[in-house]
Amino acid sequence: VRLEESGGDLVQPRGSLRLSCATSGFIFSDHYMDWVRQAPGKGLEWVGRSRNKPNNYTTQYAASVRGRFVISRDESRNSLYLLMSSLRTEDTAVYFCTRGRQFGDWGQGALVTVSS
Amino acid sequence: DIQMTQSPSSLSAPVGGRVTITCRASQDISSYLAWFQQKPGKAPKSLIYAASTLQTGVPSKFSGSGSGTAFSLTINSLQPEDFATYFCLQYSFYPLTFGQGTKVEI
Repeated sequence: VRLEESGGDLVQPRGSLRLSCATSGFIFSDHYMDWVRQAPGKGLEWVGRSRNKPNNYTTQYAASVRGRFVISRDESRNSLYLLMSSLRTEDTAVYFCTRGRQFGDWGQGALVTVSS
Repeated sequence: DIQMTQSPSSLSAPVGGRVTITCRASQDISSYLAWFQQKPGKAPKSLIYAASTLQTGVPSKFSGSGSGTAFSLTINSLQPEDFATYFCLQYSFYPLTFGQGTKVEI
């Protein structure tokens, strides 16, 4: 199993950014996938979830990002995405993608810095 | 939202020692609880899910117990590689919520 995030960058407040999570080693459509973030020196915060294909890839979000962040998948690329809009300074964090309802596998993370 | 209260926030223990970390949920989450280990600058690693089931490859020195609202993680025979921060996660209800973490130091 491999999960690899990319797309982290420095972005201005109110800007947008898309993170990608490239996966391999498992049947992508079978698994729930989540995004979790960690602000510098802080704990872990669940961001949102994409359910598996039998559940129509439906999504769920934390209140802090609902309406600003969108999780999507590209089955042909075995990739998960996090489109982040209206970014705030408090969104600064390392963003991890994870596999499975019990978060059994994690990527290495992508740093997003929101600052002017 | 379900609050996960983890304690202690930090502790010190000797190599070869044993530690127990607790996590308390603000309401009944059955056994939908997982534990993770995180080392500085690294991604979290899954240790336990369903409160007491070891992930594949995790040594049996790690054990989890509990159900409902009270859970614990015990680490036996501490080795230098076990010194890290440990987090619990409830995945029973949305939003999924983590405990604040316990730093285990030598």
